[in-house]
Amino acid sequence: ELKVEQNPLFLSMQEGKNYTIYCNYSTTSDRLYWYRQDPGKSLESLFVLLSNGAVKQEGRLMASLDTKARLSTLHITAAVHDLSATYFCAVDRQNTNAGKSTFGDGTTLTVKP
Amino acid sequence: ETGVTQSPTHLIKTRGQQVTLRCSSQSGHNTVSWYQQALGQGPQFIFQYYREEENGRGNFPPRFSGLQFPNYSSELNVNALELDDSALYLCASSLGRNNSPLHFGNGTRLTVT
Repeated sequence: ELKVEQNPLFLSMQEGKNYTIYCNYSTTSDRLYWYRQDPGKSLESLFVLLSNGAVKQEGRLMASLDTKARLSTLHITAAVHDLSATYFCAVDRQNTNAGKSTFGDGTTLTVKP
Repeated sequence: ETGVTQSPTHLIKTRGQQVTLRCSSQSGHNTVSWYQQALGQGPQFIFQYYREEENGRGNFPPRFSGLQFPNYSSELNVNALELDDSALYLCASSLGRNNSPLHFGNGTRLTVT
C-alpha cells in the first residue's frame, strides 16, 4: 500500500523567512504533485515532478524530487501572507495511469506579519 | 476555457438515503477522477473514469458507483448513506497523459445526518 507522509502538518512562519515542507512516500513512483488548497476552496495544481532530480520553481515556491530517497521538498523563500494555505503532496504509483493519486494529509501554513 | 464544475455545492441527506453528485469536466479532458476529502485530511481516491469505463478504484465499497457520459461528464452515486460519508467530494479532470496534473472542481459538501 502506498503511503504518503508530510511534515510538518502545521507551520507558522514570520513573513520574510524561509522554510521547507517534506513529503515522504513508501513505494516507487512515477509522478509527484504539489497542490495548494485555500480554506473552503478546491485544490490548485502547483507542480508536477516526473523524474529524479527534478526541480521546479514558481515565484517564492520551489519543489524538488529525489526518487531514490522517496522524498520531495517544497521550499518557501521569503514567505508572504498570500502563501497562507494548506499544501498537499500527492503521488501516483509506478506504472499506473495519472490521476489515481495518493495524497498526504497536508501542511497548513500560516504566514504572520 | 471552462473549468471543472460540480453540482450541487452543498447537500444534506439522511442516513440510508441515496445521493447523486455531478461533474462536468474541463473542455477536452477525457479522464475524470473522484475523490473524498474528510475534514482535516487529504483527498482519498474513489475511482477514475476514462472513455465511459471505470479505470481504477480506490478502497471504497461497492455502494460508491459512478458513470461517465459521452461528453466526458460524470456522476458519483452513493447508496445507503452512512454518517462517515459526510465529506467534501471532489471531481478532477485531466487529459490522461502522465505529465498532466489534475484540475479540480470546487467540490460538493455532503452532510449525512
